[in-house]
Amino acid sequence: DAGVIQSPRHEVTEMGQEVTLRCKPISGHNSLFWYRQTMMRGLELLIYFNNNVPIDDSGMPEDRFSAKMPNASFSTLKIQPSEPRDSAVYFCASTGGGGKINTEAFFGQGTRLTVV
Amino acid sequence: GESVGLHLPTLSVQEGDNSIINCAYSNSASDYFIWYKQESGKGPQFIIDIRSNMDKRQGQRVTVLLNKTVKHLSLQIAATQPGDSAVYFCAESNDMRFGAGTRLTVKP
Repeated sequence: DAGVIQSPRHEVTEMGQEVTLRCKPISGHNSLFWYRQTMMRGLELLIYFNNNVPIDDSGMPEDRFSAKMPNASFSTLKIQPSEPRDSAVYFCASTGGGGKINTEAFFGQGTRLTVV
Repeated sequence: GESVGLHLPTLSVQEGDNSIINCAYSNSASDYFIWYKQESGKGPQFIIDIRSNMDKRQGQRVTVLLNKTVKHLSLQIAATQPGDSAVYFCAESNDMRFGAGTRLTVKP
């Protein structure tokens, strides 16, 4: 398996534009997590899905952020409109542990987002 | 100028020495714990895990100790190498929220 695949690896966009980050979890994993990492806040959990259903989105910073998981092999994190303070590295991770985390999570390489 | 951001605990060790990284957890019902290593420019990677029915688990050069009484985990790295330089995070089973992590720097 190629692991968790995120795209794009780097994204530079202008303030106000819509940004869509993509994630393909490891085949067979049924939990998927989106994180944001910055120097100020560290590694923050934004949202996680179990069996394609959002379970906890309390970490999503505001309504400009939305995440979907239309099927077991694909998820998106969308920011609309983007702002400079959204600049960060966004990670996706997947695990096979079901509703509870009882196995290791595998992380993608991340998407470095820069909003100018 | 003044540095702004998370105050990341740091540990600096000499190559060849042993390292101990500590982590406190909050939920006494947690039954599974994981240590991750994040190298610069990469996502966190699994190092070792431990379940609550154990006090100690050993891997290759790494050992995790679990003290459920005081809700404390530690990661011990034997004969630390420059390649061990990274940020280390612990995570508990009830959620996948990470703390600030500990930055380990290995001096040659």
